[in-house]
Amino acid sequence: EPEVTQTPSHQVTQMGQEVILRCVPISNHLYFYWYRQILGQKVEFLVSFYNNEISEKSEIFDDQFSVERPDGSNFTLKIRSTKLEDSAMYFCASRTQGGARATETQYFGPGTRLLVL
Amino acid sequence: SQKIEQNSEALNIQEGKTATLTCNYTNYSPAYLQWYRQDPGRGPVFLLLIRENEKEKRKERLKVTFDTTLKQSLFHITASQPADSATYLCALSNYGGSQGNLIFGKGTKLSVKP
Repeated sequence: EPEVTQTPSHQVTQMGQEVILRCVPISNHLYFYWYRQILGQKVEFLVSFYNNEISEKSEIFDDQFSVERPDGSNFTLKIRSTKLEDSAMYFCASRTQGGARATETQYFGPGTRLLVL
Repeated sequence: SQKIEQNSEALNIQEGKTATLTCNYTNYSPAYLQWYRQDPGRGPVFLLLIRENEKEKRKERLKVTFDTTLKQSLFHITASQPADSATYLCALSNYGGSQGNLIFGKGTKLSVKP
């Protein structure tokens, strides 16, 4: 069964450094998302992406964050200058488009655990 | 904006019993509501989706109900097994439509004892 994959599984970085988290969504999906989960807290929406542009973003997704779909398969989240409070699990999710077999279900990847020191 | 409450942070039950988890939301009724399972250190795994015009949905030992009057969904696991132990998340669309991002509850951690 197709699944969303994410790399790396773990990332440790120094405060102020840039990190890029990578995701390969399910191949026929057209909506892409990033969520994060701080340890012990709920899953929070960051950004959604469709048709090569951001369709929605949360207050968390400030100027330090950016997303990109550099080719036909990868979807990346970049944090330009990491802060201690960026330490969290970051999940990528994807969803298919509407139509006769439309589903609103978002399928999540296994996550990248980011630790900022 | 929409708020979700999953009333119990933790639920402990005996193997073979039925687990019932509750999800309440506060504002507009969403077009659909979803339940996910999350194991420690892993991503949410989709279980069931129920639409606003559906009262009940079943999948094997799982059952979800959706009451838009009470603004509540109940998630049942019948004949529970220790392997069902996980955190269960309720999620719904932020704007009641089909394209919005998901808002998640904090989850209920279910422990099934043998």
